[in-house]
Amino acid sequence: SQQGEEDPQALSIQEGENATMNCSYKTSINNLQWYRQNSGRGLVHLILIRSNEREKHSGRLRVTLDTSKKSSSLLITASRAADTASYFCATPKAAGNKLTFGGGTRVLVKP
Amino acid sequence: DGGITQSPKYLFRKEGQNVTLSCEQNLNHDAMYWYRQDPGQGLRLIYYSQIVNDFQKGDIAEGYSVSREKKESFPLTVTSAQKNPTAFYLCASGQGRDNSPLHFGNGTRLTVT
Repeated sequence: SQQGEEDPQALSIQEGENATMNCSYKTSINNLQWYRQNSGRGLVHLILIRSNEREKHSGRLRVTLDTSKKSSSLLITASRAADTASYFCATPKAAGNKLTFGGGTRVLVKP
Repeated sequence: DGGITQSPKYLFRKEGQNVTLSCEQNLNHDAMYWYRQDPGQGLRLIYYSQIVNDFQKGDIAEGYSVSREKKESFPLTVTSAQKNPTAFYLCASGQGRDNSPLHFGNGTRLTVT
């Protein structure tokens, strides 16, 4: 089974609304990363949150991390049609920064 | 313009043939990775390399082989032993340290018939 699991699997919202997706993981981590993937393209790194951080912001993105619950959330505020993509959380599996990815949340932002 | 280049973007092969996917990076990264992505799924690690002339199996290495003769290059061969090779293949590179992000290429979509 995968280390990270996103929820929901799919999300459809109107432009301007906020989008929230969650990630749960199983083992202890020293960081958690979020990536975006546009259809048919590679993944793009969005944000990395370390295990000693509880919240981090980057532009319209807000990430939280609760290590006691082994969960993280990604909030996209004031969504735009260009935010339509799949979003993945990833956690390092062992030394060497081998990342394990969840199944992703597919976000559709309707204009 | 730094980045990772995967080629070709689309690849078609007959069953039973080996095929090699190219991955080149000019980011001066020590570590490189190959992932497989099936439709609507997450990524699964095939092989990774933390340094030139060294590589390790990931979670789904059976039916695949790699080489790392140069820092910039990490080609992946999909052999005829891979039972279900049709997939989207993503190459990534990174500094190989914890707390460092991965940089991905734009993938190669392999179709085997």
